[in-house]
Amino acid sequence: DVKVTQSSRYLVKRTGEKVFLECVQDMDHENMFWYRQDPGLGLRLIYFSYDVKMKEKGDIPEGYSVSREKKERFSLILESASTNQTSMYLCASSRTSAEIYNEQFFGPGTRLTVL
Amino acid sequence: GQNIDQPTEMTATEGAIVQINCTYQTSGFNGLFWYQQHAGEAPTFLSYNVLDGLEEKGRFSSFLSRSKGYSYLLLKELQMKDSASYLCAVADSNYQLIWGAGTKLIIKP
Repeated sequence: DVKVTQSSRYLVKRTGEKVFLECVQDMDHENMFWYRQDPGLGLRLIYFSYDVKMKEKGDIPEGYSVSREKKERFSLILESASTNQTSMYLCASSRTSAEIYNEQFFGPGTRLTVL
Repeated sequence: GQNIDQPTEMTATEGAIVQINCTYQTSGFNGLFWYQQHAGEAPTFLSYNVLDGLEEKGRFSSFLSRSKGYSYLLLKELQMKDSASYLCAVADSNYQLIWGAGTKLIIKP
């Protein structure tokens, strides 16, 4: 059974703190993604990675960084958390193939509150 | 710019049929996805369309018209457990997914 896990379901941090969100997938997928989801908005891509040590900016990378040292793990880092980063963070993974179809599998999400 | 439009909220009755529409304008097209997301949970894959026409999968069907930039998700024999948000997403020319804001479907007994 495919599985994407995230380190925390709920997290409360203070403004200015450094925050680490961890994501692990056990499907040997090449691609991993970090999104944030806010009410009334679609999922917005923060960063993605197509391979180990490789990262690409998504639509809203400002205030975030990522790390992918191992294929199964993709970390999202908030260098100095701010209140406007209060959100639901979703990690996803997908495989790479010659086919067009690339279903993404999602983790359960981390609801981050920054006070 | 790129955008995906879908209704914010819909209400339907248990046992009935509901159609959730999605229109899109994207730079390139490499398929359209529908995902289901229950409150507080992760999105889960429902369907994928890359060619025009109707794809049926049990109680759920998805339709695509590429010339019109239009898709719909059809849910038959609605059950209370179908209460969820339904997300439409389009893979653009770079195979990146562009997401709609989601349609919250409320099922009433």
